[in-house]
Amino acid sequence: DFVLTQSADSLAVSLGERVTINCKSSQNILYSSDNKNYLAWYQQKPGQPPKLLFYWASTRESGVPDRFSGSGSGTDFTLTISSLQAEDVAVYYCQQCYGSPTFGQGTRVEIK
Amino acid sequence: EVQLVESGGGLVQPGGSLRLSCAASGFTFSSYDINWIRQAPGKRLEWISYISSSSETIYYADSVKGRFTISRDNAKNSLSLQMSSLRVEDTAVYYCARDVCSGRSCYYDHWGQGTLVTVSS
Repeated sequence: DFVLTQSADSLAVSLGERVTINCKSSQNILYSSDNKNYLAWYQQKPGQPPKLLFYWASTRESGVPDRFSGSGSGTDFTLTISSLQAEDVAVYYCQQCYGSPTFGQGTRVEIK
Repeated sequence: EVQLVESGGGLVQPGGSLRLSCAASGFTFSSYDINWIRQAPGKRLEWISYISSSSETIYYADSVKGRFTISRDNAKNSLSLQMSSLRVEDTAVYYCARDVCSGRSCYYDHWGQGTLVTVSS
């Protein structure tokens, strides 16, 4: 099984500040044949389904603001919000699909 | 506009059965692979099943294998999940989600609002 562990269950950050969420996979999820990391990031707001933000670790989904960025390779990945806005309050999940798909436990981002 | 609308959730006793449906619109349903993903209260998201666009390929998570059956009707733009031998731990919001990839379960770019399944005596 591919276990994804996010570095924090919750974060409280001031408006305008930088948010960094880390996701570590128990196994490598960089597929050598296509050189792609099989990792995505989702945002889930209360009462809503998850929304895809990034796939292949760093490919931004259409409509996602550019204050969001995804990075990393192999087993270590990061979602960054460069300047936290009020509408970014949500739970963020990483997800891998190198093997049978699994999700991280989620990181709740709140305003300090 | 892409829409996925789940239905069929409710309260069921342990050991019982339930059939979930997902109605799709706003896209060519027959061209996309679809997944069921669930979220138990306070737990992380859990992928449970995948079906390819032509129903040729089907996958299940170990937690539901042998108890749940996924199917689709491309003529009716609909997806189903037949759930049997339900357990308390199957209590969750069940989402259908469209797959970005073809031929395997990878990323999910459109999700329904979910339907709540509660397994309790």
